Amino acid sequence: QKEVEQNSGPLSVPEGAIASLNCTYSDRGSQSFFWYRQYSGKSPELIMFIYSNGDKEDGRFTAQLNKASQYVSLLIRDSQPSDSATYLCAVLYESYKYIFGTGTRLKVLA
Amino acid sequence: EAGVAQSPRYKIIEKRQSVAFWCNPISGHATLYWYQQILGQGPKLLIQFQNNGVVDDSQLPKDRFSAERLKGVDSTLKIQPAKLEDSAVYLCASRTDRDEQYFGPGTRLTVT
Repeated sequence: QKEVEQNSGPLSVPEGAIASLNCTYSDRGSQSFFWYRQYSGKSPELIMFIYSNGDKEDGRFTAQLNKASQYVSLLIRDSQPSDSATYLCAVLYESYKYIFGTGTRLKVLA
Repeated sequence: EAGVAQSPRYKIIEKRQSVAFWCNPISGHATLYWYQQILGQGPKLLIQFQNNGVVDDSQLPKDRFSAERLKGVDSTLKIQPAKLEDSAVYLCASRTDRDEQYFGPGTRLTVT
């Protein structure tokens, strides 16, 4: 069974700090990896995707992929209280099926 | 560009009743997904359509759930009869040709 694992948290960081969110996956054949942000009572919103080993930066967000170790991470620099949400990691299998983790709840303390 | 539309936003029904949800994907997106999200969990795939054909419905409880996508555009998901454990948010998503998936606002179903 293909799995995507995340620590449920909550992960608490002070405002202005770097938040580091991690995700591991079970299938070495996975090619595409996604991070979604989900505010309470709202639907998931795509914030980053990454296909290649290494880092990908977009504004305050950096996605990191290490296929050998089968993990994906999301770094949020200069964390703001508005970043407080649940962050879902998703892995694309067989080119069409997305498997989601349970999400990590992030709390940014003002 | 308009996003994924879903209706209704909320629904409360009694167990054993039926309910239907509607989704209109982003224009031009051939791939449409229905997910079930239970509180505290990630979205779980129920069914995927490519145009008006089913790609994967392996996790759809077919004794009570059905879905269709006529004409390859909008889609409906039906539950009949509903059980208490069907209480969840039902999310519709569509996907670009770059594998980016976008979600609608969801329908929050409460079965009493």
